[in-house]
Formats: sequence, structure tokens, C-alpha cells
Amino acid sequence: QKEVEQNSGPLSVPEGAIASLNCTYSDRGSQSFFWYRQYSGKSPELIMSIYSNGDKEDGRFTAQLNKASQYVSLLIRDSQPSDSATYLCAVKTSYDKVIFGPGTSLSVIP
Amino acid sequence: GAVVSQHPSWVICKSGTSVKIECRSLDFQATTMFWYRQFPKQSLMLMATSNEGSKATYEQGVEKDKFLINHASLTLSTLTVTSAHPEDSSFYICSARVFTHNEKLFFGSGTQLSVL
Repeated sequence: QKEVEQNSGPLSVPEGAIASLNCTYSDRGSQSFFWYRQYSGKSPELIMSIYSNGDKEDGRFTAQLNKASQYVSLLIRDSQPSDSATYLCAVKTSYDKVIFGPGTSLSVIP
Repeated sequence: GAVVSQHPSWVICKSGTSVKIECRSLDFQATTMFWYRQFPKQSLMLMATSNEGSKATYEQGVEKDKFLINHASLTLSTLTVTSAHPEDSSFYICSARVFTHNEKLFFGSGTQLSVL
């Protein structure tokens, strides 16, 4: 089992719709969770971090964490073409390393 | 967010030569930096953890004698790819750990290495 897994893409949504990205992790002792956005040829850009169970909202983005289910998600409301990118889920494991998932490619269709 | 400066942005070198990549934290002190490698259409793979003033910790399968990491100060970590070969061609990215209320990772802009 891979340490961090994400729903396979690519994911296509129409402009204005909600995009839902999912991530599961294997290390139950993980405490910190991150969502990054990466454009082709660029380094990752931090979108959100979440550390406790529940929802965390920041503008059009909402991160959800459920440690019991070892699941973290990212919702993007009112998706825009500029949101088209690869979204990376990252988890800080109990052995103090930040491990990335394989990424989900999102396309927002105008 | 915190600024991490990485140089060079891209480098082309001949097989057998060495290449040094620098990663600097500009407005904060980074006791820990991480080095990742990313092949096309793949995710980031952690290569090593660099701690200021001590030896780096390498991930399984990463040759420490080939990928030399130095973290001599709180604002600078370097990765040297020694005797580079075409299979070392990749996107190398450094990141710095920042503690502001909670822990976050901020990334440098990355270095695209092409070995001919």
C-alpha cells in the first residue's frame, strides 16, 4: 500500500462547478496535512494546511480531515479555468517526513 | 508566505560532471530543509532531509555519495549531483520547514537538470 494515495484523474469539471479531490494515507500517526497546487514546470504552491478533524475554509477552498478514516479532501467551489493544475496531497508522517501523493490533474472547462 | 530561493532554475551539463544546486531561505531561518526529485508526470519523491549542522538523512535507494547535501548555515542548503548521468535528469526541488503556529513547507522554484 502506498503511503499517500489520491483519486485518479484526470478530473474535468465545468467552470463554476465544485471540484472534489480526495486523498487517503496509511500512517495513522500522521498529524499534518497539506494541499498543494502545481502548474506544469513549476514548483508546488501551498493552498491549505489542516491539522485537526473537521472542515477548514479559505475563500473558495475547503479542506476536510477525518483522521479515523485516514482521509483528507479538498473542495474547490466556483471552479475557474485558472484552477486547472495538478493537486498534490501531502502528509507529514509520524516519522517526521512529508510524503506526497501521486497528484490529481484537474481541468476546468470554460 | 516564507520565501525560498533556489538556483539555478535550469542547468544543462555533460555526463560525468558535477552540478551544485543552492537553496536559500530569504526571510527566515530553516533548521530543516527537504530535497525532492520529480520526474515528468510523476509526483515528488523525497530524496533526503537536511538538518543544519549535521549529516543529511537519505531515503532508501538514494545514493548519499552521489547526491551530496550540505546544510552549513540556517539559511543555505546545497545539493551536489556528482558524476551526473542522463538518468539523473529531473526536476529537483528544495523545501524549507517553517513553524508559524503550525508547521508548513514552502518550496523553492525548482531546478530542471538535463544531463547530456
